[in-house]
Amino acid sequence: EAQVTQNPRYLITVTGKKLTVTCSQNMNHEYMSWYRQDPGLGLRQIYYSMNVEVTDKGDVPEGYKVSRKEKRNFPLILESPSPNQTSLYFCASSLRRGDYGYTFGSGTRLTVV
Amino acid sequence: SQELEQSPQSLIVQEGKNLTINCTSSKTLYGLYWYKQKYGEGLIFLMMLQKGGEEKSHEKITAKLDEKKQQSSLHITASQPSHAGIYLCGGGRSGGYNKLIFGAGTRLAVHP
Repeated sequence: EAQVTQNPRYLITVTGKKLTVTCSQNMNHEYMSWYRQDPGLGLRQIYYSMNVEVTDKGDVPEGYKVSRKEKRNFPLILESPSPNQTSLYFCASSLRRGDYGYTFGSGTRLTVV
Repeated sequence: SQELEQSPQSLIVQEGKNLTINCTSSKTLYGLYWYKQKYGEGLIFLMMLQKGGEEKSHEKITAKLDEKKQQSSLHITASQPSHAGIYLCGGGRSGGYNKLIFGAGTRLAVHP
């Protein structure tokens, strides 16, 4: 089944403890992106990647890192999480640049206390 | 303020009623995308509109894009409980390498 898989689905952590949210797609998509969703603000893009080793900042990149060493994987790294990073995170992928028909993962609900 | 404004923010309808959700942008968009999200879950792609004046339908859901490509409406006919969820519009923005900007969403509840 074609899908974007995120792990974990739920995560509660403490301020300052490094964490990684994994994202993997099995569709050979070139483009991958991370969004966060907050009440009243909708989805905002954190980082995106056009292909292996090509990543760039979205609208809200502060406090996050990403890497794209393989085409299928695009992990989101929070080096020192803070409570304002408590949010619902989505990974999405699309076949290529210009294709906006994203496939989204099921989301990761992160709580930082 | 949001680059894409959705209205209403929330909607409660009786099963069988028709409803419309609107999405407005201050700038011309490179495509308008409608997604549905079940509470706390991922987004499911519904429809894509690219040309001014375009209209698409799937089952009981119809989406339209105005000629200027700045306003879209999503219309549900004879709503059912299965239509409940959050509807989000997304707009393609040039120069952003596939950046899709989203409205804040419309929460729809359908009561039997």
